[in-house]
Amino acid sequence: DIQMTQSPSTLSASVGDRVTITCRASQSIHSWLAWYQQKPGKAPKLLIYKASSLESGVPSRFSGSGSGTDFTLTISSLQPDDFATYFCQQYDSYSWTFGQGTKVEIK
Amino acid sequence: EVQLLDSGGGLVQPGGSLRLSCEASGFTFSSYAMSWVRQAPGKGLEWVSGISGSGGSTHYADSVKGRFTISRDNTKNTLYLQMNSLRSEDTAVYYCAKEQTLGGQIDYWGQGTLVTVSS
Repeated sequence: DIQMTQSPSTLSASVGDRVTITCRASQSIHSWLAWYQQKPGKAPKLLIYKASSLESGVPSRFSGSGSGTDFTLTISSLQPDDFATYFCQQYDSYSWTFGQGTKVEIK
Repeated sequence: EVQLLDSGGGLVQPGGSLRLSCEASGFTFSSYAMSWVRQAPGKGLEWVSGISGSGGSTHYADSVKGRFTISRDNTKNTLYLQMNSLRSEDTAVYYCAKEQTLGGQIDYWGQGTLVTVSS
């Protein structure tokens, strides 16, 4: 199975900060990568698919980049609603696998 | 409006069985692959199993292969997960999930149903 490694595990930031989360795959997944946001007690929400495509209705401050094995999720200006846990997911080959998550906390 | 309604969770003893259901509405169910994703308490997400729109192709995580069976009834717009030989490590919230066309990204999730495996 393809392993997905996210960093950092926890990130402390302030409103207005630019935030970057990285995800590395154990082998090339081309651009078959998605990013999700999850808040406590809720189901995840799709933010980005195919590495850089913004899901409909998601604010433009979220962006994704990368291909092959290295990917990045960027929040250009952190808003109060963005404090949550973020997961990457590869869907290049079964089994789909998720990163371990990055919790974005208030600094 | 797309809706996925998960049900069937509960408390079960190790070695026991449980069947989860997911009733879908608001989209053409048979046109989309579906998955089950679980999340153990305080942990990350784990993809468990997936099935094609027709039901003809199924996939499983190694952790559940041979114990869990995914299926769907397109006449009832319902997805199932039959879970046998349950272990304590299967304790988790199980989410039904709809995949987008041309990819495995998940655009809609159920509310989740809690499965607790304990004696």
